[in-house]
Amino acid sequence: GDSVTQMEGPVTLSEEAFLTINCTYTATGYPSLFWYVQYPGEGLQLLLKATKADDKGSNKGFEATYRKETTSFHLEKGSVQVSDSAVYFCALSANPNFGNEKLTFGTGTRLTIIP
Amino acid sequence: NAGVTQTPKFQVLKTGQSMTLQCAQDMNHNSMYWYRQDPGMGLRLIYYSASEGTTDKGEVPNGYNVSRLNKREFSLRLESAAPSQTSVYFCASTRAGVCTFGSGTRLTVV
Repeated sequence: GDSVTQMEGPVTLSEEAFLTINCTYTATGYPSLFWYVQYPGEGLQLLLKATKADDKGSNKGFEATYRKETTSFHLEKGSVQVSDSAVYFCALSANPNFGNEKLTFGTGTRLTIIP
Repeated sequence: NAGVTQTPKFQVLKTGQSMTLQCAQDMNHNSMYWYRQDPGMGLRLIYYSASEGTTDKGEVPNGYNVSRLNKREFSLRLESAAPSQTSVYFCASTRAGVCTFGSGTRLTVV
């Protein structure tokens, strides 16, 4: 079945450091890929998405590129801020164009940014 | 612009008690979902509803039932709560693969 494997945390960085959170996936067909972010005490929010190979999703300085050849969707940010401290989830939606919109999530990576 | 609204936000149950978690969305989405979040396990799908009048089991349906009352509302029921059901529960609705989540219900079963 479909699965998502993401970098285990927790990850602690200093402010302005470069961030990478690794995510790889297993899926049949042509999934869409997502990064969601969860701030303390809140539900998940969509951070960015990519729907086909070589697409780059971006938002709030975060980027991720859909790499079909390596089945990866790594999250990056060039200079993190304290406000980026949260839990980040990689997810896929198998065949969303055919009505299968269920999301399969990774286990989440807790990120803490130190001033 | 409410999005997805879940009630209650917190609940403590005794083993064997029953309760219903309520969820409503105002975005006219067809698909709705119930997930549970446990430490180190990410989010796991309990049940989902692809459209009004249909429901299907997800990854961890045992001990739960759902009702898609209409297009807006999707409730989750625990008939006889167990300590293993202590978790944070999230309702969500989806359009074009993009999920909008409620703020969650933190449930403790003692």
